[in-house]
Amino acid sequence: KNEVEQSPQNLTAQEGEFITINCSYSVGISALHWLQQHPGGGIVSLFMLSSGKKKHGRLIATINIQEKHSSLHITASHPRDSAVYICAVGRETSGSRLTFGEGTQLTVNP
Amino acid sequence: DTGVSQDPRHKITKRGQNVTFRCDPISEHNRLYWYRQTLGQGPEFLTYFQNEAQLEKSRLLSDRFSAERPKGSFSTLEIQRTEQGDSAMYLCASSLPASNEKLFFGSGTQLSVL
Repeated sequence: KNEVEQSPQNLTAQEGEFITINCSYSVGISALHWLQQHPGGGIVSLFMLSSGKKKHGRLIATINIQEKHSSLHITASHPRDSAVYICAVGRETSGSRLTFGEGTQLTVNP
Repeated sequence: DTGVSQDPRHKITKRGQNVTFRCDPISEHNRLYWYRQTLGQGPEFLTYFQNEAQLEKSRLLSDRFSAERPKGSFSTLEIQRTEQGDSAMYLCASSLPASNEKLFFGSGTQLSVL
């Protein structure tokens, strides 16, 4: 079992839909990161969370430390949101290196 | 542009050849990380530096892999005697020194070993 698991693996939505991507982890963490990866490799950090909730534009990230679970929500989705969304955790025992989930491929159709 | 640059963007090589990749982090970032990503998978940690010191190496980093950051600025990752299984995207990231600092990733070097 991977230490970081994401669901779904693939998600197709229509423009305007509300999207949720889930991340569960099985280790103690110091922080959880949500990242966006576009074709060609570039990875952009969206959020870093250690508790509660953060919002940036149409993106919202939440984390429940007790349940070891985080969600990334996209409101009013748009085709430009199409990308791979990756959850990664910084483990309490591994310093600053991240352990990544396998990613969720999101496709938003117009 | 995140401010982290990697060179080259693409590298095609024949099995058995040596390759070297370069990463230039954001100038004030003390920490520099190398990750490897294969198609459909999340990145896997390879190694990280704080300034010029290599503080951690993954078991994935076989003897054929070596990384350096001689002056605490840019870093190089060398793969000797490349194998087809080395084909992957090699990603560099940098951050400030606190353990929960945001990472900034380069665009990666895509290695294809024929």
